[in-house]
Amino acid sequence: AQRVTQPEKLLSVFKGAPVELKCNYSYSGSPELFWYVQYSRQRLQLLLRHISRESIKGFTADLNKGETSFHLKKPFAQEEDSAMYYCALTPHGSSNTGKLIFGQGTTLQVKP
Amino acid sequence: NAGVTQTPKFQVLKTGQSMTLQCAQDMNHNSMYWYRQDPGMGLRLIYYSASEGTTDKGEVPNGYNVSRLNKREFSLRLESAAPSQTSVYFCASSTGMNTEAFFGQGTRLTVV
Repeated sequence: AQRVTQPEKLLSVFKGAPVELKCNYSYSGSPELFWYVQYSRQRLQLLLRHISRESIKGFTADLNKGETSFHLKKPFAQEEDSAMYYCALTPHGSSNTGKLIFGQGTTLQVKP
Repeated sequence: NAGVTQTPKFQVLKTGQSMTLQCAQDMNHNSMYWYRQDPGMGLRLIYYSASEGTTDKGEVPNGYNVSRLNKREFSLRLESAAPSQTSVYFCASSTGMNTEAFFGQGTRLTVV
């Protein structure tokens, strides 16, 4: 079964501390993986996707196929990073319709 | 740019009442989706439409119907609302095929 697991409901860190939001997935094929973010009173938006291999707002995520993980990392957290973060998967291939399978979400709280 | 627009933003229904959530996008996207967001569950796909004229069930379709009225509009109908349908509903659109999904601002629905 296709599944995305985010084991932490809440991650609380101090400003300037490193951040790692965990994401593990279960999928038999080659998935496309994403991180979406929802800031307070804003709509859900794409943060980054693994095929782009880019850094957005200082965040990076590496796909580890051996461990089936796609953890989101940032070396120095900022208060404006406080938000709900969702890891998501979409199946790769011709049958893909862009539908997403989301994890449960992790609330990141960055304290001053 | 309006992007994805949902109406209404808030709604309270009595058990057994019906209502339709409206969604429109102005990005000429082929694919549209309805998700529900519940605490601890993340976002779960209710229905999607890969292209104009087609609709398919997602993970949690029971109690809902959809209509892809045209390329721009994709509505979600609750025929007989139940308290278990209390949730935040998100409409989204994309070009399909592993691309970014754009989300509406959400509809907070309470069924009493």
